[in-house]
Amino acid sequence: NAGVTQTPKFQVLKTGQSMTLQCAQDMNHEYMSWYRQDPGMGLRLIHYSVGAGITDQGEVPNGYNVSRSTTEDFPLRLLSAAPSQTSVYFCASSIRDEITEAFFGQGTRLTVV
Amino acid sequence: GEDVEQSLFLSVREGDSSVINCTYTDSSSTYLYWYKQEPGAGLQLLTYIFSNMDMKQDQRLTVLLNKKDKHLSLRIADTQTGDSAIYFCAETFTGGGNKLTFGTGTQLKVEL
Repeated sequence: NAGVTQTPKFQVLKTGQSMTLQCAQDMNHEYMSWYRQDPGMGLRLIHYSVGAGITDQGEVPNGYNVSRSTTEDFPLRLLSAAPSQTSVYFCASSIRDEITEAFFGQGTRLTVV
Repeated sequence: GEDVEQSLFLSVREGDSSVINCTYTDSSSTYLYWYKQEPGAGLQLLTYIFSNMDMKQDQRLTVLLNKKDKHLSLRIADTQTGDSAIYFCAETFTGGGNKLTFGTGTQLKVEL
């Protein structure tokens, strides 16, 4: 099983450029989310979705857009990249239940110069 | 908002026990988790505990929860070099839809 697949693994952007980080899961999970990981700050929730067509903001949503047109895919769009968005981004999916395991992708390391 | 705090580093000798601590401030937290992150990888769930429990044991792992002090700990018995990783505690609450609030992470280094 592929689980949660993120692409690309690495990306360098210039300030002001836009791009989309891809996330796909093959476990038919309802719940998907995006986190960013910064040194000394753990993981912070950017956006999440509880099902196709439904998205909501997390703790740090500014500068990011999401959509959920299918159960499988949950792309994260950076509208105009800024150096403050240099981070490692993780996508996660789970059954919509608090006590179940969240499955994480391998991460995308993004550098904005 | 909720704050979940952990010490940043822990170094132990192989074969010793490791204890990783976590404090949280949100008393409405219902579920508390420990995740492990190996270098260059995503996070993997190690174990979880309900807020109405005091302790949970799973092979070499023991989780202790002190609700009064909002303190969570993870004890790894007989620590091995393969346990070297970053360990995150995380919390969520009933109705939170599995939105996780993570701690800052503790980097565990196991020395021979």
